[in-house]
Amino acid sequence: DGGITQSPKYLFRKEGQNVTLSCEQNLNHDAMYWYRQDPGQGLRLIYYSQIVNDFQKGDIAEGYSVSREKKESFPLTVTSAQKNPTAFYLCASSTLREETQYFGPGTRLLVL
Amino acid sequence: EDQVTQSPEALRLQEGESSSLNCSYTVSGLRGLFWYRQDPGKGPEFLFTLYSAGEEKEKERLKATLTKKESFLHITAPKPEDSATYLCAVLPISSGSARQLTFGSGTQLTVLP
Repeated sequence: DGGITQSPKYLFRKEGQNVTLSCEQNLNHDAMYWYRQDPGQGLRLIYYSQIVNDFQKGDIAEGYSVSREKKESFPLTVTSAQKNPTAFYLCASSTLREETQYFGPGTRLLVL
Repeated sequence: EDQVTQSPEALRLQEGESSSLNCSYTVSGLRGLFWYRQDPGKGPEFLFTLYSAGEEKEKERLKATLTKKESFLHITAPKPEDSATYLCAVLPISSGSARQLTFGSGTQLTVLP
């Protein structure tokens, strides 16, 4: 079954702690994206990557970091510099030929 | 600046009561417009992509249409299982290879039995 998996489903962060959200896809998509969703707001792009070992900042990259060491994987680290990390984080992927982005199930990050 | 506005914010329908959701957009040039369905606590599920004014696409009880300034998602004879938040997003021509979507804040649809 092809798709996008995100883990964990829920994640709790303590003050000053870095946490990493996992995103894996077996769709053979080249491009991967991370979005943040807050209540009452549209999804906002954090980072995206179109090729292994290359990624670009989106609109709200401050306080976040990513890596793309494998085509299938695009982990997102929420650093202690992100002062308001509580949100629903969504990973997406697409081919380079088509514009449609397909989303994973999401990770909800909560602050203790 | 690219903008997407969805209306209404929330809509309650009786089962079988047809209606439409609106997505108004402002972009310098439209490369594509996307509709997604999102259930609570889950990721968005892709529904449709529209590329040019006059284009229409259908899937079961849903039909999406596109004009130069807005898109409508028509729901015919909805059922309770159609209850979800419907998201609209635009991809401007100016995004180039980046494919940076601009999303609206969604319409929360509730269909009562």
